[in-house]
Amino acid sequence: AQSVTQLGSHVSVSEGALVLLRCNYSSSVPPYLFWYVQYPNQGLQLLLKYTSAATLVKGINGFEAEFKKSETSFHLTKPSAHMSDAAEYFCAVSANTDKLIFGTGTRLQVFP
Amino acid sequence: GAVVSQHPSWVICKSGTSVKIECRSLDFQATTMFWYRQFPKQSLMLMATSNEGSKATYEQGVEKDKFLINHASLTLSTLTVTSAHPEDSSFYICSAVRLKETQYFGPGTRLLVL
Repeated sequence: AQSVTQLGSHVSVSEGALVLLRCNYSSSVPPYLFWYVQYPNQGLQLLLKYTSAATLVKGINGFEAEFKKSETSFHLTKPSAHMSDAAEYFCAVSANTDKLIFGTGTRLQVFP
Repeated sequence: GAVVSQHPSWVICKSGTSVKIECRSLDFQATTMFWYRQFPKQSLMLMATSNEGSKATYEQGVEKDKFLINHASLTLSTLTVTSAHPEDSSFYICSAVRLKETQYFGPGTRLLVL
């Protein structure tokens, strides 16, 4: 069975600061891992995905995530936060199916 | 590429009526689509898997007679909330699978049942 844990339901950073959103997964088979972003009253937008190629995955809007098997982690980072990054971020896992298991989400606030 | 649309974006209906929500993949074909429900400040809850040309697969606890899903073509899936009640008010989001195991999401439909 697969599961995802997102540590921290809320993260606040200053504009220009490093963004770090944590995600740990559990999977009985090699996982596919995803980060999605959701802006208010909108659907989810794919930021990036890991599909067993390079462990460091670069996504859109300057985000990247590193797959660490030993730590069962897939944390999302961005070197410098922008006001427009304020949103809800979801980590998700799938394994050999198209079905996604989502984490509970992390709300990112960016202060000027 | 990989654009998914939903219609309508907002719907308000009276209790007891039925509401149909459409999900379309605009620039790709999708044999598999998913329907989710999201409550305020919560994560997405998978309701069902919609497969083109076959019956939908519902998650445990989701009433299949309440939430009718039809995947009539490779670009269209519909969710019909039958005899809607206020507790069905929610944000409904669909997704379509384009590449292997990658879902692309629609913008969501907010349903308010009075």
